[in-house]
Amino acid sequence: AQKITQTQPGMFVQEKEAVTLDCTYDTSDPSYGLFWYKQPSSGEMIFLIYQGSYDQQNATEGRYSLNFQKARKSANLVISASQLGDSAMYFCAMSPDQTGANNLFFGTGTRLTVIP
Amino acid sequence: SQTIHQWPATLVQPVGSPLSLECTVEGTSNPNLYWYRQAAGRGLQLLFYSVGIGQISSEVPQNLSASRPQDRQFILSSKKLLLSDSGFYLCAWRGDTYGYTFGSGTRLTVV
Repeated sequence: AQKITQTQPGMFVQEKEAVTLDCTYDTSDPSYGLFWYKQPSSGEMIFLIYQGSYDQQNATEGRYSLNFQKARKSANLVISASQLGDSAMYFCAMSPDQTGANNLFFGTGTRLTVIP
Repeated sequence: SQTIHQWPATLVQPVGSPLSLECTVEGTSNPNLYWYRQAAGRGLQLLFYSVGIGQISSEVPQNLSASRPQDRQFILSSKKLLLSDSGFYLCAWRGDTYGYTFGSGTRLTVV
């Protein structure tokens, strides 16, 4: 069974600084996908970044990058140059296939607060 | 472009009353559709998913049911709501690229 663990219930970061949100996963499947979503106070889930288990390089999307360490089964999200608008809940998720066609399993989330 | 609509945005219902939440997708055909629930301060739990009309898979036993009467319509229902059904309900579909696209959610409070 797949399991996603986010050990940081809350994180604080100074505006313009970088922050790392931790995520570890557990699966016996060789093929899987890892996702990060942002959930602002309004509630919608916003897709941020994706990493496939066979991808050789870490995924990057603008200020977001995913620090993928396969042997450690970790997929930490790095947000560079934090902005006030980055304050939100962040969820790590995993799908038991590369595309996310099957179910997404979510962690419990990390609440990030950006301090001006 | 593809969009997903979910309504209502908020709902307050008494215990024992029925429930019907609707989700529709535009701009795509035969999408995989999902219903998730998020309890307060928790992550998302998959409730149901559907790969086609009339095809529903349930992930957890519960007081809820789902139906897919049309290709782009996914409905979450209950005959009698419980207090424990309160939460934030999100509909999602799997897009052409990786990952899901979520609706704006329905915040259900059962009183």
